[in-house]
Amino acid sequence: AQKVTQAQTEISVVEKEDVTLDCVYETRDTTYYLFWYKQPPSGELVFLIRRNSFDEQNEISGRYSWNFQKSTSSFNFTITASQVVDSAVYFCALSERGSGNTGKLIFGQGTTLQVKP
Amino acid sequence: DTAVSQTPKYLVTQMGNDKSIKCEQNLGHDTMYWYKQDSKKFLKIMFSYNNKELIINETVPNRFSPKSPDKAHLNLHINSLELGDSAVYFCASSQESGGAYEQYFGPGTRLTVT
Repeated sequence: AQKVTQAQTEISVVEKEDVTLDCVYETRDTTYYLFWYKQPPSGELVFLIRRNSFDEQNEISGRYSWNFQKSTSSFNFTITASQVVDSAVYFCALSERGSGNTGKLIFGQGTTLQVKP
Repeated sequence: DTAVSQTPKYLVTQMGNDKSIKCEQNLGHDTMYWYKQDSKKFLKIMFSYNNKELIINETVPNRFSPKSPDKAHLNLHINSLELGDSAVYFCASSQESGGAYEQYFGPGTRLTVT
């Protein structure tokens, strides 16, 4: 069965610290996609990144970077030099190609990141 | 231009009432979704339509009925509202239904049932 686990419920850091948000997934599908979304205090869900199961290259976008490791079924997200504006709930999500081709997202429980000035 | 819009943003109503939430996307996407976010922030899929055809109907009470009049619109009608229906409901759309494309979410509708 598919499942996404974000073991860190809440993380609090001081501005300029680096922080890593963990995501572990379970799937029996060989073709799947992983996502990260950000939900700031204003409530909207903002897409950050998509990764497919065949592409294990890490990705960097500004202060954000993602580490995808199939061997440990993990897709971790690191924010370098955190800023107050990074304070939000971050969700990791999974969709499987084999789930009847529906594209439904299975979300983790979310990690609340608080960046203090 | 808002990519995925929902109305209303807030909805306060009494138990037993019937209410609707509307969603529209102007991205030209084929697939639309409804998700429910509970008080603990947990997000769960409810329904999905691909080209006006229902493709996901998760374990949702049949008081909830989605309708897709065309590819750009997906509405959610809820009958006989209960306290437990209080949540934030998000509409989303994606280019296609295969899961390979990211989903873009609307701003959410906060439903409060009293």
